[in-house]
Amino acid sequence: GAVVSQHPSWVICKSGTSVKIECRSLDFQATTMFWYRQFPKQSLMLMATSNEGSKATYEQGVEKDKFLINHASLTLSTLTVTSAHPEDSSFYICSAVGEKSSYEQYFGPGTRLTVT
Amino acid sequence: AQSVAQPEDQVNVAEGNPLTVKCTYSVSGNPYLFWYVQYPNRGLQFLLKYITGDNLVKGSYGFEAEFNKSQTSFHLKKPSALVSDSALYFCAVRTNTNAGKSTFGDGTTLTVKP
Repeated sequence: GAVVSQHPSWVICKSGTSVKIECRSLDFQATTMFWYRQFPKQSLMLMATSNEGSKATYEQGVEKDKFLINHASLTLSTLTVTSAHPEDSSFYICSAVGEKSSYEQYFGPGTRLTVT
Repeated sequence: AQSVAQPEDQVNVAEGNPLTVKCTYSVSGNPYLFWYVQYPNRGLQFLLKYITGDNLVKGSYGFEAEFNKSQTSFHLKKPSALVSDSALYFCAVRTNTNAGKSTFGDGTTLTVKP
């Protein structure tokens, strides 16, 4: 149980286009989802916290208009990178906290974004 | 503010030897502590957690960790390392406040040599 999926697992897009990444909790309802960004050989940087039915809370320094987050249901959150640039290339990871246990975060497998 | 320190970027051990990956933390209030492992181009896999109770917690793949409140540490250990344990390990801390956000350490790369 407690599986989180991400789609796509990798994506290449051209500079100036937008890319949507989906994060789904497959077998539980996620009250909260988190979006992280990870650079090579570095730690996870929290971008935003997403609660179902409400606006995401962004960390300081993260552009809200560039990284659009929508938590439409208790099993789905999406991250849209708008007008992507090469510096947005990174590994994006989501995690979900279940309604039954607020202690554990379940992580998705990550999405590798490359902007050319 | 909460923080996590993993003082070693790299840990090298020989297969069959015990391993320790260090983690210290700083929080206001009671900490919830976690260890995760990450393989290349993959997400994080949960290894173990400390919420309350026994200071020694056992997790997946033979790993264990000891919560030491006085030293604010939560070192990851395994009695006998395997080559397949080679990966990137992250320690994380959160509390029941701060919207449940976890703070991660910078990670420690474990290399187990045959």
